[in-house]
Amino acid sequence: GQSLEQPSEVTAVEGAIVQINCTYQTSGFYGLSWYQQHDGGAPTFLSYNALDGLEETGRFSSFLSRSDSYGYLLLQELQMKDSASYFCAVVDSGYALNFGKGTSLLVTP
Amino acid sequence: NAGVTQTPKFRILKIGQSMTLQCTQDMNHNYMYWYRQDPGMGLKLIYYSVGAGITDKGEVPNGYNVSRSTTEDFPLRLELAAPSQTSVYFCASSYSFSLGDNEKLFFGSGTQLSVL
Repeated sequence: GQSLEQPSEVTAVEGAIVQINCTYQTSGFYGLSWYQQHDGGAPTFLSYNALDGLEETGRFSSFLSRSDSYGYLLLQELQMKDSASYFCAVVDSGYALNFGKGTSLLVTP
Repeated sequence: NAGVTQTPKFRILKIGQSMTLQCTQDMNHNYMYWYRQDPGMGLKLIYYSVGAGITDKGEVPNGYNVSRSTTEDFPLRLELAAPSQTSVYFCASSYSFSLGDNEKLFFGSGTQLSVL
């Protein structure tokens, strides 16, 4: 089996930096993905880490440590539109993604 | 390209009724998936398919059936609907043949289903 743990809620101020952590336990591991979902919308792909280290895409960065079974999503220069749920997900030995329960990010003025 | 298209967007069923949620994609993706999402929860995998004619169970397959007769279509069938199947259903697709790259899913807009 496998499990993913991430905080249920995070609140941050517009313009600030926020980090959303994800720890995972899985029998097989190929990589860690992050998805964003706005209320009432569909999840959309943000990033993927297969190797240790930091991947940067604009204001968003994602980090992976395979030895620690840990990753995080870093959001910089927060904007109100970043208020959404963020899900980490792993590909195990199967052919599908398994998602965490998600972190609800609220950006306040 | 339309991407992944799901119909209907909303549906109310009575207990015991059956229905089919439609999903089609125009990206020539081999991999397709059905997830359900309950309020405040993550997505749980119901069924997936790695190509036409091939399907397999995910984490929560009970009460559902799927078929994959073409690359484009992956319908989800609910038999004998129950209140526990009230949820938002997302269909998704992915191109990659490689497990290591099988990380980018394209999602449909979802079907909100209520069973009363």
